[in-house]
Amino acid sequence: NAGVTQTPKFQVLKTGQSMTLQCAQDMNHNSMYWYRQDPGMGLRLIYYSASEGTTDKGEVPNGYNVSRLNKREFSLRLESAAPSQTSVYFCASRDREGSEKLFFGSGTQLSVL
Amino acid sequence: AQSVTQLDSQVPVFEEAPVELRCNYSSSVSVYLFWYVQYPNQGLQLLLKYLSGSTLVKGINGFEAEFNKSQTSFHLRKPSVHISDTAEYFCAEVHGGYQKVTFGTGTKLQVIP
Repeated sequence: NAGVTQTPKFQVLKTGQSMTLQCAQDMNHNSMYWYRQDPGMGLRLIYYSASEGTTDKGEVPNGYNVSRLNKREFSLRLESAAPSQTSVYFCASRDREGSEKLFFGSGTQLSVL
Repeated sequence: AQSVTQLDSQVPVFEEAPVELRCNYSSSVSVYLFWYVQYPNQGLQLLLKYLSGSTLVKGINGFEAEFNKSQTSFHLRKPSVHISDTAEYFCAEVHGGYQKVTFGTGTKLQVIP
């Protein structure tokens, strides 16, 4: 019963490097989300996907791109990492057929030097 | 625009004392409200939710919250806290029919022995 799986758990990048954060859910949820968590700022929505094939910007999309590869997978890409993108990133999926709750992955701690 | 306000960034309270964590949401005709808890170095877990119906909602671990439409509030309460309740608590909202789930900035509850 995996739920939401995020990889990697930790990553250190140099300014200007690129990387992709992977997320997969096995609960057949239509909606998926990427958040970043910073001290004192709570969780801020980067991008979300209401269904396979659709993506929309959240509160802080600049510097990020996303791909909803299929119903299970929703990846987040940093094309040219900046120190301001140092954060903890959470992927989530949402049960819109029942509880409406979000199921979260365990997070990715990203440091950009 | 959706917005969630958590008025207190930190709340210290003695063990076995009552606690209230405050949350105000943006006014809307239809809104779903949630409280999530994050224990150190973990992802977020759902504590309770309000979708419709009774305005007093009971959640896990003895927490409850009351939906107050006139005051646009959804405060979280527990009559007697335990050391294990030390965590960060997030209020979240989503407007019915929409996809964005917006979080407050979080309240750190510190239970003092």
